[in-house]
This record gives sequence, structure tokens and C-alpha cells, in this order.
Amino acid sequence: QSALTQPPSVSGSPGQSVTISCTGTSSDVGSYDRVSWYQQPPGTAPKLMIYEVSNRPSGVPDRFSGSKSGNTASLTISGLQAEDEAVYYCSSYTSSNTVVFGGGTRLTVL
Amino acid sequence: QVQLVESGGGVVQPGRSLRLSCAASGFTFSTYGMHWVRQAPGKGLEWVAVISYDGSDKYQADSVKGRFTISRDNSKNTLYLQMNSLRAEDTAVYYCAKDRGIYDFWSGYKGMDVWGQGTTVTVSS
Repeated sequence: QSALTQPPSVSGSPGQSVTISCTGTSSDVGSYDRVSWYQQPPGTAPKLMIYEVSNRPSGVPDRFSGSKSGNTASLTISGLQAEDEAVYYCSSYTSSNTVVFGGGTRLTVL
Repeated sequence: QVQLVESGGGVVQPGRSLRLSCAASGFTFSTYGMHWVRQAPGKGLEWVAVISYDGSDKYQADSVKGRFTISRDNSKNTLYLQMNSLRAEDTAVYYCAKDRGIYDFWSGYKGMDVWGQGTTVTVSS
């Protein structure tokens, strides 16, 4: 199972919006609405930010939103804040009943 | 509070074995699927394995198939990862994580909403 494809890095200024893409195949992202996004600041465990494409767990700000089109899922962060700086990972359910992660995207808040 | 605490990491020689444990508290352990996810130094997250709420369904990454075994003891609220024939490339921080659902064959992956702090495994001679 190959990793999902994410851009290595994105950046934005405070208050701006950024979007991180996550491209898979018809065997994972394209076939299931089971895409999750995780935030991992340096030296900490990952935190669930979005589940099942577009749902936010309680406590996650509504500045974070998710979507999907075809084989590509996206995470959008609006109203960027300094505390959003972290590495973001997407993940998806697969046709083999397994889970696959993306390579991660480092978000820099300028 | 909801908590996962991993243990059992350490330094081990190539070819040897190690068993990781993950103690759960603050939620009904027996009603959720559980994952192991690892992160090599300076690298991204790699999914390792999952077990359904009752232990009847188990799935693993190709990279560990035949070497690693996931299991659980619901009477002890504990998840395990038995790692055999360890290789240098297995060196990583290993996290256990709770799925939002039961993760059986029909329900699948619903996202990992609780994570432990991780335990470090170093495979080196």
C-alpha cells in the first residue's frame, strides 16, 4: 500500500487561509469517506482534527475544515494562527481493510 | 480521563523480539478498535496494525506482516504488539491509538481520536 501524497510544506500569514491536499487512489481516498487529518506539533503525539472527510471532533476550532473530490482530500485552515504551526497528516481507509497515511505537510505560519 | 499509556520499548539487537503494551483507561476499552502507529526518527507516521473491539479481526501493514502480531486482553484493558525478527528499519516511536469505532470487517476505519505518548524502540547491534 503506497502512502498518500501530500505537499511537503505550505505556509501562510496570520489570518490567511491555507489548503493542504492529500491524493490517493480509487482503492483508498476515492472509494471511502473515511479520510482523517491529524496535527502533530514537534515532540508531541498526533491529534485528530478531522474524521470521515469533513467532521470535526469536539474542541477542534471551526477554522479547520475538510473536503474530498475524487481521489483527493483537502484540509483547509482559515484565519491562520501561530499555534497552527505543525505537521499535518492525512490518512484513509483502504480496500484491504487497512489504513494508510500521507507523508505529512509542514505548515509554517509566517 | 481518557488515557493510553505505552510501555515495553527499549534497545534490542536485530533479529530479536520485543513486546509492547498499551494500558487504556477512562473509556470502555472493549467497545473500540485499537491501532499501532509508528514514526521513525525524523520521518512521518506509518500505520502498523489494527485489531477489532473483540479481537476477531486483525489487519497489518505489509512491512510487518509475518513478523508483528497485534492482540488485546479486554479483561485487562490492554493492547499488545508482539514484534519478532526485528530489523533496523523498525526503529521508531510506537504509538497506540483508539479508533472512534469498533473496526470490524464491516465498519472499518473511523479515525484515531485518542493517542498515547509513545514508546521508543531502537533496533541496533
